[in-house]
Amino acid sequence: KAGVTQTPRYLIKTRGQQVTLSCSPISGHRSVSWYQQTPGQGLQFLFEYFSETQRNKGNFPGRFSGRQFSNSRSEMNVSTLELGDSALYLCASSSTGRDTEAFFGQGTRLTVV
Amino acid sequence: QKEVEQNSGPLSVPEGAIASLNCTYSDRGSQSFFWYRQYSGKSPELIMSIYSNGDKEDGRFTAQLNKASQYVSLLIRDSQPSDSATYLCAVTGQSNDKLIFGTGTRLQVFP
Repeated sequence: KAGVTQTPRYLIKTRGQQVTLSCSPISGHRSVSWYQQTPGQGLQFLFEYFSETQRNKGNFPGRFSGRQFSNSRSEMNVSTLELGDSALYLCASSSTGRDTEAFFGQGTRLTVV
Repeated sequence: QKEVEQNSGPLSVPEGAIASLNCTYSDRGSQSFFWYRQYSGKSPELIMSIYSNGDKEDGRFTAQLNKASQYVSLLIRDSQPSDSATYLCAVTGQSNDKLIFGTGTRLQVFP
């Protein structure tokens, strides 16, 4: 059974640009959650999608957005990149997203210069 | 008060000893509790899940939950140098809608 796949693994962008990250969940999983991980803040919840609907959102500015497709694949977008957006972005896949185990992808390392 | 709190460590234990990792949470209605292990430069890996009070054992790992005290712990028996990693405690809220992580405890197992 394939795991969670995130692409790309590494990205270098300049300030002001935008970026799109992709996450393919485990087959059969309908929930995808996104997290930002930085050394100082740990894992911060961005948002969760279930059946193409954003079900929950963390405390991030509107520059961070996402969507989910009918095949459960999800994308997150960050517009007008800032230096502080440099982080490891992780997505987690679970069957329903509630009370069920979540499995992480390898992450996308974003560096903003 | 943070929603999920862990001592950042490092917690240093000798090889073969028991490592005890602790976590407290603020939402009394939390229902599900998870422990993840994260090696440096890697993504978190699920180790254990626990949903009811008491102990749950899986190999060298034992998760303990006390909802009255809002406390969850992870014991690692016969610790090995390969167990050296950051251990993340995660909790779902009362509405079970999102997973909240602690900042993690760094464990160092020395030979």
